[in-house]
Amino acid sequence: QQQVKQSPQSLIVQKGGISIINCAYENTAFDYFPWYQQFPGKGPALLIAIRPDVSEKKEGRFTISFNKSAKQFSLHIMDSQPGDSATYFCAASSPSGGSYIPTFGRGTSLIVHP
Amino acid sequence: ETGVTQSPTHLIKTRGQQVTLRCSSQSGHNTVSWYQQALGQGPQFIFQYYREEENGRGNFPPRFSGLQFPNYSSELNVNALELDDSALYLCASRADRAKNIQYFGAGTRLSVL
Repeated sequence: QQQVKQSPQSLIVQKGGISIINCAYENTAFDYFPWYQQFPGKGPALLIAIRPDVSEKKEGRFTISFNKSAKQFSLHIMDSQPGDSATYFCAASSPSGGSYIPTFGRGTSLIVHP
Repeated sequence: ETGVTQSPTHLIKTRGQQVTLRCSSQSGHNTVSWYQQALGQGPQFIFQYYREEENGRGNFPPRFSGLQFPNYSSELNVNALELDDSALYLCASRADRAKNIQYFGAGTRLSVL
């Protein structure tokens, strides 16, 4: 059972455009929602994260929008750049034994054309 | 760089063999988690160690086992390798004071023939 569903699987945007990746979750116990960025040959790196008590969080060109009632959240990349080309994973976690072990989505491969 | 190093970077084994993957955590991090990332998929949680004790496990069979050492380095052992074990294996470390934030290594690419 996939607890975190991510779409689209791949995304191509032009430089300067907006990239939008969507995720939906099922487990209402989740209370931490990070996004990870992974470049080829590298491990995932935390990009930005949100808790369900806020509806939006912005860090530079990256924004998370969160809809608790719909159990959905999304990543918006404004002014997308070729250097943003990577695979993006949403995740969700809840404190289990004091640790937040994330459940990942299947990933979105983003290509930004110059 | 995250300060988390994994070795080897690539490995080729045959079905039925055993493999040991190694991870050196970031300094000061006492928790390490291991993940399996199949091609085109997100990382799947295998297990977690805290101060040398396993304190969380995902849906993986017992032939996946691990160790964490006093210096917080760790190993992932897989016995009786199957073709479906071919994947990128990632370790991630975190500190007590930041339970949400974990730092991933670049992974070990395992191919089982």
